[in-house]
Amino acid sequence: DTGVSQNPRHKITKRGQNVTFRCDPISEHNRLYWYRQTLGQGPEFLTYFQNEAQLEKSRLLSDRFSAERPKGSFSTLEIQRTEQGDSAMYLCASLSWAGVEYGYTFGSGTRLTVV
Amino acid sequence: TQLLEQSPQFLSIQEGENLTVYCNSSSVFSSLQWYRQEPGEGPVLLVTVVTGGEVKKLKRLTFQFGDARKDSSLHITAAQTGDTGLYLCGTGANSKLTFGKGITLSVRP
Repeated sequence: DTGVSQNPRHKITKRGQNVTFRCDPISEHNRLYWYRQTLGQGPEFLTYFQNEAQLEKSRLLSDRFSAERPKGSFSTLEIQRTEQGDSAMYLCASLSWAGVEYGYTFGSGTRLTVV
Repeated sequence: TQLLEQSPQFLSIQEGENLTVYCNSSSVFSSLQWYRQEPGEGPVLLVTVVTGGEVKKLKRLTFQFGDARKDSSLHITAAQTGDTGLYLCGTGANSKLTFGKGITLSVRP
């Protein structure tokens, strides 16, 4: 097991374009989380899945953001019509059934820059 | 959502010095986790504390959970340049973690 994998590591896009990020969690972890982190801030919760079901979305998440986890394995996060304010590090984390108290395993993140 | 306050926000020290940083909340924590994040990488879990008054040690790092479970501290003995990074505390509720803003630690050689 190589941990949580995120691709791409870096993405530069023009304002108005769509982007998609991928996360491959630890295989036996049934929960998968997306967070966003801007400079000087801690990670902010966006959404999470238990298996293939999306159980919660943050009110911070506009309609331009959508996430999927079609077979309960990898997940994708798509941002449509990107804006400069979307520039941030997008982090994926996975968690075993044992619970949030046991801590997340994070990926290395995707750094998005919207120009 | 439980608010976590971390202090100080920034800390720059010389290699070999000791330091203590803090994570506080007005609410009781069910559990608390400390993570360290290096630039361009995701956070890495250091420790989870659950019981009030609990002390955990990880080499030169000592983590303490307050008796009332509203605060936690991280003490680093004889800091090394490799300790440089962003230290985040996070607490879990309703199946997700909420994080503080973090403490940026810079250890100078």
